[in-house]
Amino acid sequence: DIQMTQSPSSLSASVGDRVTVTCRASQSIAGYLNWYQHKTGKAPKLLIYAASSLQSGVPSRFSGSGSGTDFILTINSLQPEDFATYYCQQSHSSPWTIGQGTKVDIK
Amino acid sequence: EVQLVQSGAEVRRPGEALKVSCKSSGDTFSTSWIAWVRQMPGKGLELMGIIYSGDSDTRYSPSFQGHVTLSVDKSTSTAFLQWSSLKASDSAMYYCASGPSSGWYLDHWGQGTQVTVSS
Repeated sequence: DIQMTQSPSSLSASVGDRVTVTCRASQSIAGYLNWYQHKTGKAPKLLIYAASSLQSGVPSRFSGSGSGTDFILTINSLQPEDFATYYCQQSHSSPWTIGQGTKVDIK
Repeated sequence: EVQLVQSGAEVRRPGEALKVSCKSSGDTFSTSWIAWVRQMPGKGLELMGIIYSGDSDTRYSPSFQGHVTLSVDKSTSTAFLQWSSLKASDSAMYYCASGPSSGWYLDHWGQGTQVTVSS
């Protein structure tokens, strides 16, 4: 199975900060990488698909980049509603796998 | 707009069977991937497996292979997650999610089903 490793596991940031979350795959997954946001008590939400494509309705302050094994989720100008846990997920090979999550909380 | 509505919270005893459902609205069910995702208390998301509703092609994550069964009923646009013998460690929140066959992502999610297994 392809292992997905996110870093950091958690971070503290302030409103207005630029935040980056890294995701590394244990082998090349080309661009088959998606990012999700999950808030406690709610369903997860797709933010970015195919490494860099913004899902419809997602604010443009979210962006994704990378290919192969290394990927980055960037949140420009963090907003109060962005405090959540973020997950990367690969769909290059079965079984699809998810990273362990990065919790973004308020500094 | 696709909506996924999951069945309600369940409480079972160890060793009991359980089947949880995820009903899809919209007209894309027959060409969708359906995934099931577990979140144990205080932990992250774990992808249990995926099933293609068109032909029931199913891929299980190794950690869940042999312990759960995924299935779909195209006539009712409903996906199912079932256990034949629950363990206390199956207590968790379970989400279904769907994505298009043309893409490789999960763009619609159910609201979650809380499963509690306790003697």
